[in-house]
Amino acid sequence: KQEVTQIPAALSVPEGENLVLNCSFTDSAIYNLQWFRQDPGKGLTSLLLIQSSQREQTSGRLNASLDKSSGRSTLYIAASQPGDSATYLCAVGSDRGSTLGRLYFGRGTQLTVWP
Amino acid sequence: DAGVTQSPTHLIKTRGQQVTLRCSPKSGHDTVSWYQQALGQGPQFIFQYYEEEERQRGNFPDRFSGHQFPNYSSELNVNALLLGDSALYLCASSLAEAEYEQYFGPGTRLTVT
Repeated sequence: KQEVTQIPAALSVPEGENLVLNCSFTDSAIYNLQWFRQDPGKGLTSLLLIQSSQREQTSGRLNASLDKSSGRSTLYIAASQPGDSATYLCAVGSDRGSTLGRLYFGRGTQLTVWP
Repeated sequence: DAGVTQSPTHLIKTRGQQVTLRCSPKSGHDTVSWYQQALGQGPQFIFQYYEEEERQRGNFPDRFSGHQFPNYSSELNVNALLLGDSALYLCASSLAEAEYEQYFGPGTRLTVT
């Protein structure tokens, strides 16, 4: 069974810092990996999607990398801002027949960026 | 282009009651998945519907059931509610041939008292 772990569980930093959020998964049979942002009590906003054949994706100040063989992904946030404060969730899409396309989520990293 | 919509936004029910949550997929999408997110946890897969049939099911009891209509909208039904069913219920839609790109709705917050 796929297990997704995110470290750290919480992070509090001053504005302007560069951040790294970590995600690891136990089963390398993945189709893709996705990073989401979730504001308190709200739904999920997709930030970056990396296909299993890719190594990284970039969007603005965000960069996500994927090392499928080692079961790891990192989300890099450059020059953090208070508006980045949210919970960041990592999800892997299963590539196994019986669970094809199912997303497995970590518990998230709760990020607070203070001015 | 309307995204994924869910109704209601919030719901309060009493233990033992039944509840129905609704989801309208993103325009053009034909596959709907449901996830349960308990407080402080990541979302957990409940089931997925395609062509009006349950295509996959996660580790949830039979009290959780669903339905998909010809217009691809979907319902999630939970019977005999337990306190532990209190959670944010998220609906995600996708295209069958691109099922891994899932778009999420805002969720329904269910509180069971």
